[in-house]
Amino acid sequence: GQSLEQPSEVTAVEGAIVQINCTYQTSGFYGLSWYQQHDGGAPTFLSYNALDGLEETGRFSSFLSRSDSYGYLLLQELQMKDSASYFCAVYNAGNMLTFGGGTRLMVKP
Amino acid sequence: GAVVSQHPSWVICKSGTSVKIECRSLDFQATTMFWYRQFPKQSLMLMATSNEGSKATYEQGVEKDKFLINHASLTLSTLTVTSAHPEDSSFYICSARDLQVYEQYFGPGTRLTVT
Repeated sequence: GQSLEQPSEVTAVEGAIVQINCTYQTSGFYGLSWYQQHDGGAPTFLSYNALDGLEETGRFSSFLSRSDSYGYLLLQELQMKDSASYFCAVYNAGNMLTFGGGTRLMVKP
Repeated sequence: GAVVSQHPSWVICKSGTSVKIECRSLDFQATTMFWYRQFPKQSLMLMATSNEGSKATYEQGVEKDKFLINHASLTLSTLTVTSAHPEDSSFYICSARDLQVYEQYFGPGTRLTVT
C-alpha cells in the first residue's frame, strides 16, 4: 500500500516562513509533487521533485530526500493569499498520484 | 500552461437519476485521465484511471457499475454517476497528464449535490 503523512494544520503570520513536511511509504516511487488548493477550487500544481535536493520557484521551494522518504514545502514571505490547503502527492508506477491528507495553512495578519 | 475543463461546474439532481460529467484537455492530448472524489475537508481520493480506447481501471472500493467512465478520444473523458444517492454528493475532479511533462493538470471540479 501507499501512505503519506503531513500535518493537518499550520498557522503562521504574514511575512513569515513556514515549512510543511511530508513523509511517505510507497512502492515504485517516481517523484513527489506539491499542490495548492483554495476552498472550493481545484488543486493547482506547485512543484515536482524526482531527485534529492531543493527546487526553488519564487517564494516556494520543495525538498526531497529519497533515502528518508521525506520531503517538504517551504513557503517564504507568507501572504494572506497563501491561506489554502497544501497536498503532497507521490507519483508511482502507472503515473498515478496518491495524495496526502492535506495541510490547512492559515496565514494571519 | 495546459488547460483542463470540466462541465458542468455544479449540478443538483434528484436521488435515482444519473449525471454525466465531462472532462476535456483543451490544448494537449491525454491518453490517460484520472477521476478523483473529494469530500469536504478531506483529501482527493483517486476513483479510477481512464485510458483512451480501453476500459477504465477502478480503485478498490469504487463501484464500476455505478461510476461509468468513457474515454472516447484523446481529449475527452466522461464520468457518469448512475442512480445517484445523497451519499454520492461530493466534489468530483478530473486530471489529465501531458505526456511531454511529468505533471497532472486538474480540471476546476464539479460539485454534485444529490437531493
